[in-house]
Amino acid sequence: IVMTQSPATLSVSPGERATLSCRASQNVYSNLAWYQQKPGQAPRLLISGASTRATDIPARFSGSGSGTEFTLTISSLQSEDVAVYYCQQYDHWPARATFGGGTKVEI
Amino acid sequence: QVQLQQGGAGLLKPSETLSLTCAVYGGSLSGYYWSWIRQSPGKGLEWIGEVSHSGSTNYNPSLKSRVTFSVDTSKNQFSLRLTSVTAADTAVYYCARRMVQGGDCYYGHWGQGTLVTVSS
Repeated sequence: IVMTQSPATLSVSPGERATLSCRASQNVYSNLAWYQQKPGQAPRLLISGASTRATDIPARFSGSGSGTEFTLTISSLQSEDVAVYYCQQYDHWPARATFGGGTKVEI
Repeated sequence: QVQLQQGGAGLLKPSETLSLTCAVYGGSLSGYYWSWIRQSPGKGLEWIGEVSHSGSTNYNPSLKSRVTFSVDTSKNQFSLRLTSVTAADTAVYYCARRMVQGGDCYYGHWGQGTLVTVSS
């Protein structure tokens, strides 16, 4: 399964909404996760199951979608949200995880 | 709180073998798959594969011929070996714990990352 993210770079003003897209080449149902990666850091899990926020993730982050089309929304962009965001799915047969190419969010 | 602590050499010559370990603190290896994921400079994330606490493995087909995973339950750690490295293997290597919820699998805990540079 190929995961395609768009856009590659997203410029958003502070306080504005950021909308990131992830498309799967096949139906992955709701089995999709989102990660945030800041420079020099490991990725951090934001969303699992397409829409379930991970522990301690602010409510301004939300995920939606199912099947092949998914969206990560940052409702009011903060300066600390500048990062690269990745989507990820997991195939069970054969077992394999696949990540999207990432969307860089900048102010 | 589960923490993953990585160790291993960061500078290799072409044809050498990459060896990394990932020690798990605050939790057991049992019941999970333990994964390795890498990120080439300025690029995205590439799944290398995973090993269960009992030694079951899954591999990225593109790397399978060169990769070995192992688990040491006495030390609560797992390891990656990648043979015959080239400059294309230069990357930050991460270990991570795969979580399973229904049919969904994701990575909730990550190591700090190890930059491995392959250069003559």
